[in-house]
Amino acid sequence: AQTVTQSQPEMSVQEAETVTLSCTYDTSESDYYLFWYKQPPSRQMILVIRQEAYKQQNATENRFSVNFQKAAKSFSLKISDSQLGDAAMYFCATRISGTYKYIFGTGTRLKVLA
Amino acid sequence: DTGVSQNPRHKITKRGQNVTFRCDPISEHNRLYWYRQTLGQGPEFLTYFQNEAQLEKSRLLSDRFSAERPKGSFSTLEIQRTEQGDSAMYLCASSRYNSNQETQYFGPGTRLLVL
Repeated sequence: AQTVTQSQPEMSVQEAETVTLSCTYDTSESDYYLFWYKQPPSRQMILVIRQEAYKQQNATENRFSVNFQKAAKSFSLKISDSQLGDAAMYFCATRISGTYKYIFGTGTRLKVLA
Repeated sequence: DTGVSQNPRHKITKRGQNVTFRCDPISEHNRLYWYRQTLGQGPEFLTYFQNEAQLEKSRLLSDRFSAERPKGSFSTLEIQRTEQGDSAMYLCASSRYNSNQETQYFGPGTRLLVL
């Protein structure tokens, strides 16, 4: 069975600084996708970044980048130049290729300090 | 693109009552998902539709839960004989499948409180 673990319930970062959110997962499959979603307070969840497991290159979306370590089953999210608008719950998720079921972690609440 | 909408946004009901939630996906999105999210947890997969066909349903979903997507557009999620443990946020998401580049768009959710 797939599992996703986010061991940091809450993180804080100073505005303009860099923060890394951790995620580990477990799967016996070799072809899968990994995601980071952002859920701002009282707002809809949105996709931040996606990584295909077969790609060795780490995904990057503007200030957001991932560190994907397939052997270690680790998928961390780095947010550079943190902004007040980055404050939210961040969920790590995975989906096996060819299936429809997304498995989410328990989330990390990110606070951005002015 | 007006986004995914869900109605109602909040629902308070008494234990034993039936409730129905509606999700309107982004037009032309052929995939639709329902999730349940309890406090302090991530979304938990409930069921998935591709067009009007319900292709996957979580084994965690009891017989009291049923979902439909009759014309491949909007979807409804019904909970019969509600229990206090059903109190949660119910999220809907839709996507348009394009090879493996799928992006789920989430609705604002329906928050259910069972008294």
